[in-house]
Amino acid sequence: GAVVSQHPSRVICKSGTSVKIECRSLDFQATTMFWYRQFPKKSLMLMATSNEGSKATYEQGVEKDKFLINHASLTLSTLTVTSAHPEDSSFYICSARDKSGGAHYEQYFGPGTRLTVT
Amino acid sequence: GQNIDQPTEMTATEGAIVQINCTYQTSGFNGLFWYQQHAGEAPTFLSYNVLDGLEEKGRFSSFLSRSKGYSYLLLKELQMKDSASYLCAVRGSQGNLIFGKGTKLSVKP
Repeated sequence: GAVVSQHPSRVICKSGTSVKIECRSLDFQATTMFWYRQFPKKSLMLMATSNEGSKATYEQGVEKDKFLINHASLTLSTLTVTSAHPEDSSFYICSARDKSGGAHYEQYFGPGTRLTVT
Repeated sequence: GQNIDQPTEMTATEGAIVQINCTYQTSGFNGLFWYQQHAGEAPTFLSYNVLDGLEEKGRFSSFLSRSKGYSYLLLKELQMKDSASYLCAVRGSQGNLIFGKGTKLSVKP
């Protein structure tokens, strides 16, 4: 099946610094990638949708200047958390939709990145 | 608005059958997904329904009624490894997935 990787899997950073998370589709081309955030015991909340070669679409309440998304190629999207604060500590998960589509344009999820801001 | 409801927690016994319900009210509908998520891991795809009826896949089945805005996930012959959170998600008119809060299932011996 389709594989999506994320790097790093865990990161600890100091307050005020920036962190970049990479999301890669390993064996398919992804025209659309999604970034989610999940707090403990909560559901996945969509942060933004990114399409290759264009600006990301952010969900209401998500600061685009704080969460920078770059979808530079059909296999790579990056999320940069700028000037991180402890309240940004969360589980960040990306997913990618296969360009070739299929019956239901399934989204494939990455393994997630656990961010801890101290 | 968008609203997806599912029970917060459920407990069942190994070998039994459990049904996890999901009701939804969304501005658009392009299919309903069920995902399994173990703690600290990403969700894994279980099933997809876009037409009314039952979809069966091994020990897992999923049902959809679009007129009622209702779906359920049925797990048979429960195993200890089935202990996880089960997420109901609806694909809206924009193509993105809208997730429910998830149902934490605990399977007891």
